Amino acid sequence: QVTLKQSGPALVKPTQTLTLTCTFSGLSLKAFATRATWIRQPPGKALEWLARIDWDDDKFYRSSLKTRLTVSKDTSKNQVVLTLTNVDPADTGTYYCVRMRQDSDAYDVWGQGTLVTVSS
Amino acid sequence: QPVLTQPPSVSGAPGQRVTISCTGNTSNIGAGYDVHWYQHLPGMAPKLLIYLNEDRPSGVPDRFSGSKSGTSASLTITGLQADDEAYYYCQSYDISLSDHVVFGGGTRLTVL
Repeated sequence: QVTLKQSGPALVKPTQTLTLTCTFSGLSLKAFATRATWIRQPPGKALEWLARIDWDDDKFYRSSLKTRLTVSKDTSKNQVVLTLTNVDPADTGTYYCVRMRQDSDAYDVWGQGTLVTVSS
Repeated sequence: QPVLTQPPSVSGAPGQRVTISCTGNTSNIGAGYDVHWYQHLPGMAPKLLIYLNEDRPSGVPDRFSGSKSGTSASLTITGLQADDEAYYYCQSYDISLSDHVVFGGGTRLTVL
């Protein structure tokens, strides 16, 4: 059974950098066709795709956030890390680490979510 | 504005059937891209309900079904139960957008 456990701050000040970590269990990030994605949901708004990192280290970013987002992985710890620099109150929301199914672009395993508030 | 349009809310009595629509265009659903559906209970992570338009992951009851036609897709829930009360989101792929992954705005299902 694949599980994702997220960690990271609940409160970040404007202009600071947000770092979120997602630990995969039950599946190696090096396994063929493993794709880890970050999705967020601002309060009262729809889900929003942010970034993806694949087993072969391919990376993809939301175009509007590309200059501020970085996704990486530490295979020794089986962790995926998302960093968002220069945060703004508009970055407030719940952030989810998610596994994409191998047979489609559906997201079948979700982390518990991290509610991040950007406020001074 | 979300690329995929869903009704903000739907409701039904226990035991009834409800359908939630997800309307796209010729760059996403109408172009043949698959639609997936998620159930989002308050305080929980979203849960994959339907993938590849009509397939159910293991453990999802067959009360939940999906379909797709033209530029739209639908999620149907039969035998409505109180714990079906949640938000439901559709997701697809859009070839015209640089980010490609698109979600609907979500539909709140109320069980009366």
